[in-house]
Amino acid sequence: GQQLNQSPQSMFIQEGEDVSMNCTSSSIFNTWLWYKQDPGEGPVLLIALYKAGELTSNGRLTAQFGITRKDSFLNISASIPSDVGIYFCAGQPSSLNYGGATNKLIFGTGTLLAVQP
Amino acid sequence: DAGITQSPRHKVTETGTPVTLRCHQTENHRYMYWYRQDPGHGLRLIHYSYGVKDTDKGEVSDGYSVSRSKTEDFLLTLESATSSQTSVYFCAISTPGNQPQHFGDGTRLSIL
Repeated sequence: GQQLNQSPQSMFIQEGEDVSMNCTSSSIFNTWLWYKQDPGEGPVLLIALYKAGELTSNGRLTAQFGITRKDSFLNISASIPSDVGIYFCAGQPSSLNYGGATNKLIFGTGTLLAVQP
Repeated sequence: DAGITQSPRHKVTETGTPVTLRCHQTENHRYMYWYRQDPGHGLRLIHYSYGVKDTDKGEVSDGYSVSRSKTEDFLLTLESATSSQTSVYFCAISTPGNQPQHFGDGTRLSIL
């Protein structure tokens, strides 16, 4: 099936540093989403992107929908200890068998972020 | 939290036994989904529902069945559990119109 390549797999940084992660696909996507998952909980939506080139911020988080519609990135500025967790990208492919009326998504494998105080 | 309750939150059972996981939502969302999460695989879609009594398979549906008799409840059944079905299972909900999915807190299922 279709897959998203998410990188890096993990990051170990110092508090205050900026973070960047990205997702790429071989297919065109209509929607890109970024989620964060804390231990023992479900993923929580951070940012949703709907148009190629769109740049959206949510506090210290900024995400962009790539102009080719095949990639997206997430930046976190001035990281803090509570940013620790797993970050997932997800996309809704434009191919006929996905998305559309059912909002089905493809997920990346996640980026584990560790922040040292 | 998006008004999604998964039950049970944890379950340990033996190979060959039937298992049913429940997802209950209070948001009146039309679409509901079941995922499993395993290390190195991210979230993979098992089954989804696009309305009451309307369901379809996802990418990893073998060994699983679902039912949706009411808008608020989506059940996932393992008819005869196998050790390969040990995983964390997440339910998600969404509304029509290209809207994002929102997730419950998961069920950790261990099959011995």
